[in-house]
Amino acid sequence: EAGVVQSPRYKIIEKKQPVAFWCNPISGHNTLYWYLQNLGQGPELLIRYENEEAVDDSQLPKDRFSAERLKGVDSTLKIQPAELGDSAVYLCASSLGLIDEQFFGPGTRLTVL
Amino acid sequence: KQEVTQIPAALSVPEGENLVLNCSFTDSAIYNLQWFRQDPGKGLTSLLLIQSSQREQTSGRLNASLDKSSGRSTLYIAASQPGDSATYLCAVDIYGQNFVFGPGTRLSVLP
Repeated sequence: EAGVVQSPRYKIIEKKQPVAFWCNPISGHNTLYWYLQNLGQGPELLIRYENEEAVDDSQLPKDRFSAERLKGVDSTLKIQPAELGDSAVYLCASSLGLIDEQFFGPGTRLTVL
Repeated sequence: KQEVTQIPAALSVPEGENLVLNCSFTDSAIYNLQWFRQDPGKGLTSLLLIQSSQREQTSGRLNASLDKSSGRSTLYIAASQPGDSATYLCAVDIYGQNFVFGPGTRLSVLP
């Protein structure tokens, strides 16, 4: 069974540029999560989807971040415009339901210059 | 606000030792607690999930316990191996509203 797929694995952009990350969850998983992880710290939840509905986006900086999960499968996280402080690893995870075991993708490492 | 801490921040042991990693959380109103492993530059790998009604879970050389009333969980690793070297993170699910991670314990097992 394929795991959570993320692309790209690495992205380097200049500040003020837009960037997008893509995630394909494990087949059949209704819940999808986007996390941000800074070096030496645990992941921080940005947004959680139950099917196509965002059930928790309280930690998402909505002035520059947006996310969507069309048709309740794949998801895209976008930053526009990117700032220097956005440099981090962006992780996607999925689970069968809201309180089930989470499975993580390899992450996208973003560097903003 | 739920806070999760992990002690120690880093640990170095010789191969073969048994070891314990600690995780503490401030709010006992949790659905479950999950332990993960993270290798450098990689995503997280789920190790064990303990539901709030359970006291412990075991998988191979790993045993995780949960004491909700005291806000503590421990991960026990038996007969450690160099391949166990990684960062271990615990995370609590707050009644399906949020998922809060600790900062992790960086483990080095020396051959």
